[in-house]
Amino acid sequence: NAGVTQTPKFRILKIGQSMTLQCTQDMNHNYMYWYRQDPGMGLKLIYYSVGAGITDKGEVPNGYNVSRSTTEDFPLRLELAAPSQTSVYFCASSRQGQGYEQFFGPGTRLTVL
Amino acid sequence: AQKVTQAQTEISVVEKEDVTLDCVYETRDTTYYLFWYKQPPSGELVFLIRRNSFDEQNEISGRYSWNFQKSTSSFNFTITASQVVDSAVYFCARAYTGANSKLTFGKGITLSVRP
Repeated sequence: NAGVTQTPKFRILKIGQSMTLQCTQDMNHNYMYWYRQDPGMGLKLIYYSVGAGITDKGEVPNGYNVSRSTTEDFPLRLELAAPSQTSVYFCASSRQGQGYEQFFGPGTRLTVL
Repeated sequence: AQKVTQAQTEISVVEKEDVTLDCVYETRDTTYYLFWYKQPPSGELVFLIRRNSFDEQNEISGRYSWNFQKSTSSFNFTITASQVVDSAVYFCARAYTGANSKLTFGKGITLSVRP
């Protein structure tokens, strides 16, 4: 099993550009999550999904969108990139809800200039 | 919002020293889960432990041990005989039950183990 994979690993965007961060898991987990990690701030939940077709906002959803058309994939969309979105983004999945072990992808380091 | 507090931000020890990482949490429910995750310099997050609020037994796994005390809302993590490979950022986190419960992370503790 590859676990949770994320692409790209690194990306530099200009202000106002758009991009999609890809996330795929091969563990048949129903629950998937997107977090951002800022220096010294821990991880904050952006969006999560409890199954295909179902998504919900986390703590910091503004400026992002998600979709979940399949169990495996959970892409994160940035529509109009802003410097405040410079961060490291982690995708994670779990078999059950957030009270259970989450498996994390390797992260995407995004810089918006 | 109920917080998870890791008051220590950076700790530096010499190899073979014991080190304890503190975690204090707030909770609105009697049922909750506590976690520790490790983030080594390579960047990925690695699950270490999950503890149910009803299970106050301390746990030991090799050089790692966890002390859960509901009376003080603490879930501390001790590394015995630390090694350079233990150098990482360690996160404590808390979740409630329910499909829509959120996992709340502390800000993390950077542990440096010097040879």
